[in-house]
Amino acid sequence: GQNIDQPTEMTATEGAIVQINCTYQTSGFNGLFWYQQHAGEAPTFLSYNVLDGLEEKGRFSSFLSRSKGYSYLLLKELQMKDSASYLCAVRGSNDYKLSFGAGTTVTVRA
Amino acid sequence: DTGVSQDPRHKITKRGQNVTFRCDPISEHNRLYWYRQTLGQGPEFLTYFQNEAQLEKSRLLSDRFSAERPKGSFSTLEIQRTEQGDSAMYLCASSLNSDHGYTFGSGTRLTVV
Repeated sequence: GQNIDQPTEMTATEGAIVQINCTYQTSGFNGLFWYQQHAGEAPTFLSYNVLDGLEEKGRFSSFLSRSKGYSYLLLKELQMKDSASYLCAVRGSNDYKLSFGAGTTVTVRA
Repeated sequence: DTGVSQDPRHKITKRGQNVTFRCDPISEHNRLYWYRQTLGQGPEFLTYFQNEAQLEKSRLLSDRFSAERPKGSFSTLEIQRTEQGDSAMYLCASSLNSDHGYTFGSGTRLTVV
């Protein structure tokens, strides 16, 4: 099975940086994904890590350490529109199914 | 292609009624997934199709739930004899291969009263 933990809520100021941590314990590992979900909307894909290290994509970066079962999503230069839930998801060795954490609600304040 | 489409967006039904939801994936995507999401939780896996074959069905999916993808294109999810605990957002997603994340539809929000 999969056990995925991430903080429930985080608050930050516009223009600041926020780091959302995710730890996982899985039976097999074949990639880690981050999704953004605004209230009442579908999750949208942000990033994918399968090898250790940092993947940068504009204001968003994601890091993975497979040996530690740990990932983080870094949001820089926060904007009000970044207020959303951020979901960490792990794909097991079966190559298709994603298991999601409960999500971290980020609130950006002016 | 406009992405993954789900219909209806919202459904209110009385307990004991049957409901059916439809999902139209991105046309070239051969993989299709159904997930269920309740407030404050992440999506929970329900079932997975590769083309028309249903390859896995979660234990969450009781006998009242059935999903089909008859021609490997659109899919339907039916819930029979709905219960209040079935109230949730039902999300459909599709993907092309394992190197990509899913593309989710906007979901069908079911309320059982």
